[in-house]
Amino acid sequence: QQQVKQSPQSLIVQKGGISIINCAYENTAFDYFPWYQQFPGKGPALLIAIRPDVSEKKEGRFTISFNKSAKQFSLHIMDSQPGDSATYFCAASKMGSNYKLTFGKGTLLTVNP
Amino acid sequence: GAGVSQTPSNKVTEKGKYVELRCDPISGHTALYWYRQSLGQGPEFLIYFQGTGAADDSGLPNDRFFAVRPEGSVSTLKIQRTERGDSAVYLCASSLTRTSSTDTQYFGPGTRLTVL
Repeated sequence: QQQVKQSPQSLIVQKGGISIINCAYENTAFDYFPWYQQFPGKGPALLIAIRPDVSEKKEGRFTISFNKSAKQFSLHIMDSQPGDSATYFCAASKMGSNYKLTFGKGTLLTVNP
Repeated sequence: GAGVSQTPSNKVTEKGKYVELRCDPISGHTALYWYRQSLGQGPEFLIYFQGTGAADDSGLPNDRFFAVRPEGSVSTLKIQRTERGDSAVYLCASSLTRTSSTDTQYFGPGTRLTVL
């Protein structure tokens, strides 16, 4: 079963626009929610992460919004740039086994100049 | 400094053959992870090492898969009797330690395995 569902599968945004990627999870034992960015031919790299004790976390142009009751979290990329074009993965892990990341299927983001 | 490195970058083999994939973690990182990423999917956890021991191998799909880390640094993922369904990118990651639940996992570029 897919424990972390990610949407959309692909996203095209104009330069300067806002990119929004959504994830939903089922397991209430999850307590750590990172987002990874992956460029072609490279491994995923941690972008930003959140724990469920806060509803929002912002780092530069990247913001995670977290809704614990809905079991959903999203990544917002403000002022999207062509260099942001990559595949983005949400992930989740459980307390006591935070090393075991469960990833979504990914979203291919294309930012047009 | 150097990141996680993986060799080979690409491996083509025939069904039934044995393969070894190597991972060199970031120097000083005690925790090491293997993931498998199939086409169009997110990485899937395979195994986690803390030092030399496999602390969690629950993600290994079957007994054809085995991994070692004899000296607590370099790790080798071994696949016996390869099948076409094993074709994927095998990612290795390392983190400084597992004692912090939010330790960042740093991923290597992966080894693309193709089983013909």
